[in-house]
Amino acid sequence: GENVEQHPSTLSVQEGDSAVIKCTYSDSASNYFPWYKQELGKRPQLIIDIRSNVGEKKDQRIAVTLNKTAKHFSLHITETQPEDSAVYFCAARDSGGTSYGKLTFGQGTILTVHP
Amino acid sequence: EAGVTQSPTHLIKTRGQQATLRCSPISGHTSVYWYQQALGLGLQFLLWYDEGEERNRGNFPPRFSGRQFPNYSSELNVNALELEDSALYLCASSLEGRGLGPEAFFGQGTRLTVV
Repeated sequence: GENVEQHPSTLSVQEGDSAVIKCTYSDSASNYFPWYKQELGKRPQLIIDIRSNVGEKKDQRIAVTLNKTAKHFSLHITETQPEDSAVYFCAARDSGGTSYGKLTFGQGTILTVHP
Repeated sequence: EAGVTQSPTHLIKTRGQQATLRCSPISGHTSVYWYQQALGLGLQFLLWYDEGEERNRGNFPPRFSGRQFPNYSSELNVNALELEDSALYLCASSLEGRGLGPEAFFGQGTRLTVV
């Protein structure tokens, strides 16, 4: 089945700096890669996603890049703000086989943005 | 738009007891996914139900089971509770048969504590 590795596990930045979180996946059949933000005590919320036929996607201060050959994808947050502080999860969705339909999540990155 | 609702929000059980967690999907969503989020860990896939059928199952023992009702709501049952079952149990719903995609929505979760 799919295996997703996420790094770093914790990330501390100063307000205004950029933050980058990286994930690798194992199953080349995976075709959908979302990123979720989970604030303390709240549900995970989708912040951006990318499909396997696209290399990069941007939405205001956040962007995601995908390298299918290397099987890795990254989340980039620019001009970070204290309200960006949360746990971020990457995930991969398999297109077939026994893993079909479910999202496999990375272990999460605790992002702390210091004012 | 009403989101995914889960009940109860908190549940305290004694080791060896059974726990029942409930999930109501977004109107129009027919797939329900259950995930376990233990403290400090990522989301681990438990079960996927679609149109009343179990479509996929994660690497959890048989004492984790569930069902989906005709109105697409779902129930997760955990028998013979163990201390390590203490976790946040998240339910997500999505459109029929497509797997968890951009329209997927997570509930706030049920915090299960086993003492």
